[in-house]
Amino acid sequence: DGGITQSPKYLFRKEGQNVTLSCEQNLNHDAMYWYRQDPGQGLRLIYYSQIVNDFQKGDIAEGYSVSREKKESFPLTVTSAQKNPTAFYLCASSSGMRAFFGQGTRLTVV
Amino acid sequence: RKEVEQDPGPFNVPEGATVAFNCTYSNSASQSFFWYRQDCRKEPKLLMSVYSSGNEDGRFTAQLNRASQYISLLIRDSKLSDSATYLCAVNTNAGKSTFGDGTTLTVKP
Repeated sequence: DGGITQSPKYLFRKEGQNVTLSCEQNLNHDAMYWYRQDPGQGLRLIYYSQIVNDFQKGDIAEGYSVSREKKESFPLTVTSAQKNPTAFYLCASSSGMRAFFGQGTRLTVV
Repeated sequence: RKEVEQDPGPFNVPEGATVAFNCTYSNSASQSFFWYRQDCRKEPKLLMSVYSSGNEDGRFTAQLNRASQYISLLIRDSKLSDSATYLCAVNTNAGKSTFGDGTTLTVKP
């Protein structure tokens, strides 16, 4: 089946630790995105990538890092510099028009 | 000012009602526009794209006004199953895809 897969679905992190969220797509899309969603809020853009080996900061990039070494993969690292990382993280891919979303990762700092 | 702003809501309407959501965008270079539906604790899913001439899909009608930089979504004959959060999304020609904060709709019997 074609689609976009995020893992894990739930993730717990201790304060001060870095953690990496996985996002893989087999839709052959060039563009990929990471969003953060807090309860009752909309989606805020963290990073996006239009092509392999290139990415741009979104509106809330501080405390996060990404890489785009392969077209299919766009992992997001939540670093210890992110002061309030507990949130729902959504990855999306696009062929230039509509976005397809993964099922999200719920990150909780304990 | 946010790049994309939506009606704050929430909207609570009876079954059968007609409800309209609006969304404004600030970047005049925006090229494509969409409405997504998001159910509680789920990922957003595309409801419909928004075309310059306006478009309709069953009970749903989307409109785009480039001059005033807003898009709208009209839902006619609301169903209980329409209860969800509706997000507008705007894509620029640089590939950035920005979402509004969403408007929550609750349709009551």
